[in-house]
Amino acid sequence: DAMVIQNPRYQVTQFGKPVTLSCSQTLNHNVMYWYQQKSSQAPKLLFHYYDKDFNNEADTPDNFQSRRPNTSFCFLDIRSPGLGDAAMYLCATSRDLAGNQPQHFGDGTRLSIL
Amino acid sequence: AQSVTQLDSHVSVSEGTPVLLRCNYSSSYSPSLFWYVQHPNKGLQLLLKYTSAATLVKGINGFEAEFKKSETSFHLTKPSAHMSDAAEYFCVVLLGGGAQKLVFGQGTRLTINP
Repeated sequence: DAMVIQNPRYQVTQFGKPVTLSCSQTLNHNVMYWYQQKSSQAPKLLFHYYDKDFNNEADTPDNFQSRRPNTSFCFLDIRSPGLGDAAMYLCATSRDLAGNQPQHFGDGTRLSIL
Repeated sequence: AQSVTQLDSHVSVSEGTPVLLRCNYSSSYSPSLFWYVQHPNKGLQLLLKYTSAATLVKGINGFEAEFKKSETSFHLTKPSAHMSDAAEYFCVVLLGGGAQKLVFGQGTRLTINP
């Protein structure tokens, strides 16, 4: 089935040690998103790619970066994770930016910081 | 500016009884509204969407929602709750203006009692 796949499902890293989370999609969608979701909160958009165009949310910390080498893959890089970065990270896609196109979510990567 | 308010942070019902999850929206024009469900340690799954077509929207798993402009509401209902419906539910409005940014409600945790 076409889907959004996130690897790994669980990631543990040390305080200050760079970490990369991965997302792939078989939907051939133009837009890919990264969200951060902390416990008992709604997801918070970090940034999105429309094709190769990167769009950063104004309040996303510089510590968070993203790469999209091709249509199928998108990576979230956290350069120096702090304890406050422990969260579920969700990847989503949409066909385009039209309002009637829903976003399709992966199952997320739960990041723990030691 | 668009926003959504979920009126209950937690709803508890017995299996086989009706479910009502309440959502009010604020929008300066006709909004695109969604309901997403999130099971524990999973991503978000689209239940249904309203994009200015029929005001009564049918979704997956027996859920439906009615868009009421006069009441600025988009409540989610299901006639008979099932144990598998226990999850977090998010009412979401799409922020327009050419960027597909989702604005999430605070979430409602649905508990199903046997």
